[in-house]
Amino acid sequence: GAVVSQHPSRVICKSGTSVKIECRSLDFQATTMFWYRQFPKQSLMLMATSNEGSKATYEQGVEKDKFLINHASLTLSTLTVTSAHPEDSSFYICSARAGITHRFQETQYFGPGTRLLVL
Amino acid sequence: AQSVTQPDIHITVSEGASLELRCNYSYGATPYLFWYVQSPGQGLQLLLKYFSGDTLVQGIKGFEAEFKRSQSSFNLRKPSVHWSDAAEYFCAVGDFGNEKLTFGTGTRLTIIP
Repeated sequence: GAVVSQHPSRVICKSGTSVKIECRSLDFQATTMFWYRQFPKQSLMLMATSNEGSKATYEQGVEKDKFLINHASLTLSTLTVTSAHPEDSSFYICSARAGITHRFQETQYFGPGTRLLVL
Repeated sequence: AQSVTQPDIHITVSEGASLELRCNYSYGATPYLFWYVQSPGQGLQLLLKYFSGDTLVQGIKGFEAEFKRSQSSFNLRKPSVHWSDAAEYFCAVGDFGNEKLTFGTGTRLTIIP
């Protein structure tokens, strides 16, 4: 089955520092990756959509200069939280969708998430 | 804009009992519907999906869901729950055009012995 990994699973950082989170599709090529944020006891909120080799599309209200997304290859996307502050503490989840030529078309497969705590 | 409503925030059922989790959606065309399960501290696992065809879809772990267009619903069912089914369940509607998934607020399932 489709597997998506995230690294790290948990990170604690000081306020003002930057944190990079990796999202990898392990057994399929992901033309599109999505980044979500989940607050405690709430649903997932889509932050941005990234397509391999092009700039990410951010949802309204998401600061693109703060949440830098790079989709450098068909198996890797990264989210960098720049100058992190305590209010950025959250659970960040990525998902990946294969190209339309793949049997996993139209379905997103989710990573296990990254818990970010900013002190 | 598409939306998903999960009217039950928390449901408690006894182990071995049947389960139904409700999901209502709003979408202008034929929806792509999903149910995901999230265990504590984990990402989401796809239980089942509906794109077209048979309105009763079978998923993993013994779950099934029925698409009812007239009621704009996609309720998740399981005939007999196990303690390991305790988790958060999310219904989602997908827009194939812009590839976005819109999630409901989730239903937390507690299983009692």
